[in-house]
Amino acid sequence: AQKITQTQPGMFVQEKEAVTLDCTYDTSDQSYGLFWYKQPSSGEMIFLIYQGSYDEQNATEGRYSLNFQKARKSANLVISASQLGDSAMYFCAMRDADDYKLSFGAGTTVTVRA
Amino acid sequence: DAGITQSPRHKVTETGTPVTLRCHQTENHRYMYWYRQDPGHGLRLIHYSYGVKDTDKGEVSDGYSVSRSKTEDFLLTLESATSSQTSVYFCAISDQTGITYEQYFGPGTRLTVT
Repeated sequence: AQKITQTQPGMFVQEKEAVTLDCTYDTSDQSYGLFWYKQPSSGEMIFLIYQGSYDEQNATEGRYSLNFQKARKSANLVISASQLGDSAMYFCAMRDADDYKLSFGAGTTVTVRA
Repeated sequence: DAGITQSPRHKVTETGTPVTLRCHQTENHRYMYWYRQDPGHGLRLIHYSYGVKDTDKGEVSDGYSVSRSKTEDFLLTLESATSSQTSVYFCAISDQTGITYEQYFGPGTRLTVT
């Protein structure tokens, strides 16, 4: 069974600074996909970024980047130049390439301070 | 935004009563999912569907059933609600376009079982 671990239940970051959210995963498959979602206090789930296990470069989407270290089985999310609107819960998730279901971590709450 | 609606958005019900939650999509996506979100657990998959009348169990399916008679609708039924089923329920959809199979989520339904 796949397992996603997010060890940081909560983090504080100063506005305009960068923050790294940790995510490690456990799988015996060679082909898989990794996702990050954002859940603001309003409750909706927002897809942020995707990394495929065979992608040679780290994924980037605007101020979001994914620090993918395959040998360490980690897929950390980096948010650069934090904004107050980045305050939210962030979830890491993984999909097996032969499947379309996602397994989610427990989430990390980020609070951006002015 | 993906066209996904959930109804009702909030519901309070008594232990032992049946409850049906509805997910409706306008994207014609093949795959649909039901998750529950509880503190400390992230999102956990209840049931999913890979086509009309094609459904399967997820990680936490006990006490739940689903039906999908049309592409656009996916129903989740709590056959006899219990207090442990108090949760926020999310519906999600995905499709085979591209390689990521990212899931898009509905707004959620907050269910309280008293």
